[in-house]
Amino acid sequence: KAGVTQTPRYLIKTRGQQVTLSCSPISGHRSVSWYQQTPGQGLQFLFEYFSETQRNKGNFPGRFSGRQFSNSRSEMNVSTLELGDSALYLCASSDQWNSPLHFGNGTRLTVT
Amino acid sequence: GIQVEQSPPDLILQEGANSTLRCNFSDSVNNLQWFHQNPWGQLINLFYIPSGTKQNGRLSATTVATERYSLLYISSSQTTDSGVYFCAESNTGNQFYFGTGTSLTVIP
Repeated sequence: KAGVTQTPRYLIKTRGQQVTLSCSPISGHRSVSWYQQTPGQGLQFLFEYFSETQRNKGNFPGRFSGRQFSNSRSEMNVSTLELGDSALYLCASSDQWNSPLHFGNGTRLTVT
Repeated sequence: GIQVEQSPPDLILQEGANSTLRCNFSDSVNNLQWFHQNPWGQLINLFYIPSGTKQNGRLSATTVATERYSLLYISSSQTTDSGVYFCAESNTGNQFYFGTGTSLTVIP
């Protein structure tokens, strides 16, 4: 099986712009979750989608949003980018709760 | 949310040495997982271990759910084991809380 695929791998954006990141989960996995990793805050949960419904949401501002499509692929969007949004964004998929979580290679976002 | 404490924060080993990494949790353990992040940033799932002991090659993990902690053992370490090791726990779906990690450097 192919692993979790994230695109693009790298992005450079300017403050105030918006960005969309994409994630394709492992085939058959219905849960997709997103995490932000920064040197200062570590790995922080953004949100989780299961069968196209947002199941959980972390403590991030409304500028961060996401969605999941019927084929389980997911996108996350960040609007009005700030310098502090520079981070590695990781997508993970799993079959269900209480099963191993598998991560993609991440998208490294730099906001200038 | 769940507080996750990892120790030690940093570890330097000679190739061939053994090590033990620890995670303590503030809440009940239901969905505990261990990950290795390689120098290129990729997070690899090592173990899904809500309780008991599991082994995978030179790695093994033990979780004592009643005492809210988990241990990761690395035996006969190799340079490819270098990276950051994270433990994580969730109490709601796949909303995981991660520790701050143990940074391991294995010297040839």
